[in-house]
Amino acid sequence: DAMVIQNPRYQVTQFGKPVTLSCSQTLNHNVMYWYQQKSSQAPKLLFHYYDKDFNNEADTPDNFQSRRPNTSFCFLDIRSPGLGDAAMYLCATSKGGNQPQHFGDGTRLSIL
Amino acid sequence: GESVGLHLPTLSVQEGDNSIINCAYSNSASDYFIWYKQESGKGPQFIIDIRSNMDKRQGQRVTVLLNKTVKHLSLQIAATQPGDSAVYFCAESNQFYFGTGTSLTVIP
Repeated sequence: DAMVIQNPRYQVTQFGKPVTLSCSQTLNHNVMYWYQQKSSQAPKLLFHYYDKDFNNEADTPDNFQSRRPNTSFCFLDIRSPGLGDAAMYLCATSKGGNQPQHFGDGTRLSIL
Repeated sequence: GESVGLHLPTLSVQEGDNSIINCAYSNSASDYFIWYKQESGKGPQFIIDIRSNMDKRQGQRVTVLLNKTVKHLSLQIAATQPGDSAVYFCAESNQFYFGTGTSLTVIP
């Protein structure tokens, strides 16, 4: 089935050690999104790509970066994770415009 | 900025009863609204959407009502089942911002 796949499902890293989360899609959607979701909170948008056009939310920490090498893949890089970055990270895609998003099942990031 | 908020953080219903989850939005220019369901350990899943030229849209056991006058939408789930237990989020137009979420618990 066409879908959004996030790897790994669980990621543990050390304080300050760079980590990369990955997302792939088989939907051929133009837009890809990264969200951070902490316990009992709504997903919070970090940034999104419309094709190769990168859009960063104003309050996304500089510590967070993203790459989209092609339509199918998108990466979230956290350069120096702090304890406050422990969360579920969700990737989503959409066709753009007023169309629903399709989410992966997320990567749960823990910081030691 | 835009905001989408939910009235109630938790809702408990008996199995077989109908559930109503409410959502308020602040951007009167919003023209598209979506409800998502998020089960524990999973990503949000699309349930139903509605465009601003409609007041009501029905799916399988779900109905979304949109009241543009008071900037309010609701999700109605008929004959609620244990599998409906989840957190429900509303989102609008650009879908960047999600409401707080309502946690629905279905009591067998």
